[in-house]
Amino acid sequence: AQSVAQPEDQVNVAEGNPLTVKCTYSVSGNPYLFWYVQYPNRGLQFLLKYITGDNLVKGSYGFEAEFNKSQTSFHLKKPSALVSDSALYFCAVRDPLMEYGNKLVFGAGTILRVKS
Amino acid sequence: NAGVTQTPKFRVLKTGQSMTLLCAQDMNHEYMYWYRQDPGMGLRLIHYSVGEGTTAKGEVPDGYNVSRLKKQNFLLGLESAAPSQTSVYFCASRGDSPWEQFFGPGTRLTVL
Repeated sequence: AQSVAQPEDQVNVAEGNPLTVKCTYSVSGNPYLFWYVQYPNRGLQFLLKYITGDNLVKGSYGFEAEFNKSQTSFHLKKPSALVSDSALYFCAVRDPLMEYGNKLVFGAGTILRVKS
Repeated sequence: NAGVTQTPKFRVLKTGQSMTLLCAQDMNHEYMYWYRQDPGMGLRLIHYSVGEGTTAKGEVPDGYNVSRLKKQNFLLGLESAAPSQTSVYFCASRGDSPWEQFFGPGTRLTVL
């Protein structure tokens, strides 16, 4: 079964410092990986995806993610954190078996808190 | 464009009551999904639809029913609510691209 793990329930970082939110995956076949962000009382918003190609993918709001096949990881990064980045972040993988209408399998989420 | 909208935003039910959650999208998307979000568990797929008039079970369908009579609407029904159905419910839709789903703002449901 496809799965993603987000090992940290919460990440705390000071404004202006680099941030990393970790994600590891387990899939059969080529992984299609995603990051979504959820602000308080809002639905999830798409940040970025990795399908194929360069291991470093860039997304919205200055975020980027690094795909590492040997470590089966897809960590989310940002060079300089903003207070407004504080939110709940979800890593997800698309089921390559394409069951359930190409459903996404989500991790449990990581709360990011950026302090000024 | 409003994107994906959900009504109601909040609801409190008593055990055994029924209700319907409405999801509407104005992007002409074929695919629509209902998820529930519970602390520490991420989002789990309840039901989904691949087009008007079609529905299919997801990972956790028990206790829920859905209908997709119109392409833009996807209804989630609880026939007899149970406390275990206390959750935040999200609707999502996607178009031809298999990569990005668009989410509604969610409905927070409490079953007493």
